Amino acid sequence: NAGVTQTPKFQVLKTGQSMTLQCAQDMNHNSMYWYRQDPGMGLRLIYYSASEGTTDKGEVPNGYNVSRLNKREFSLRLESAAPSQTSVYFCASLQGTGGNSPLHFGNGTRLTVT
Amino acid sequence: AQSVAQPEDQVNVAEGNPLTVKCTYSVSGNPYLFWYVQYPNRGLQFLLKYITGDNLVKGSYGFEAEFNKSQTSFHLKKPSALVSDSALYFCAVSRSEGGGNKLTFGTGTQLKVEL
Repeated sequence: NAGVTQTPKFQVLKTGQSMTLQCAQDMNHNSMYWYRQDPGMGLRLIYYSASEGTTDKGEVPNGYNVSRLNKREFSLRLESAAPSQTSVYFCASLQGTGGNSPLHFGNGTRLTVT
Repeated sequence: AQSVAQPEDQVNVAEGNPLTVKCTYSVSGNPYLFWYVQYPNRGLQFLLKYITGDNLVKGSYGFEAEFNKSQTSFHLKKPSALVSDSALYFCAVSRSEGGGNKLTFGTGTQLKVEL
């Protein structure tokens, strides 16, 4: 049981380049999330998808787009990367919609934009 | 808006001593409260949660947390720390009514347990 799988693990981009971060979960969870983690700032929600076919903005959506491809997969796209997007990105999922279930996290993608 | 404060960036404790990692929260309505742990180069792992009921919540690896509504706190505790408990700990809150699953995380507390 792999849980939440993120690819790639590491990525270096130049300013202006684009890339897509991939996330897949095999737990049949309804909701999926993208967070970024920065030193001293904790985790901040970028986008989330409460169910297949829906996506909503989180706290810091600017510069990002997402696609909920199917129930398993939720991708995060940077169209034109900026140094401010250097961060560790985490995908997470959970079963319900009521807020009382814990999140299951992937191991992260470490992105550096030069 | 909901928020979480973890006032200590780092907590140092000797192995075998009790540990406390502090968390206070602000949310409208009743809170759902969570603690997560992060080991180096890994994602966050769920430790425990408070939803309703008993104010003392027991979780994984011998950790527990006490919900105090009047002080809006949810401190993480363990009676006897282990070196292997050294990690980054995050407190998180969401609203119970209409909050969906939008968790707000604190900035994290680095726990260092030394021999």
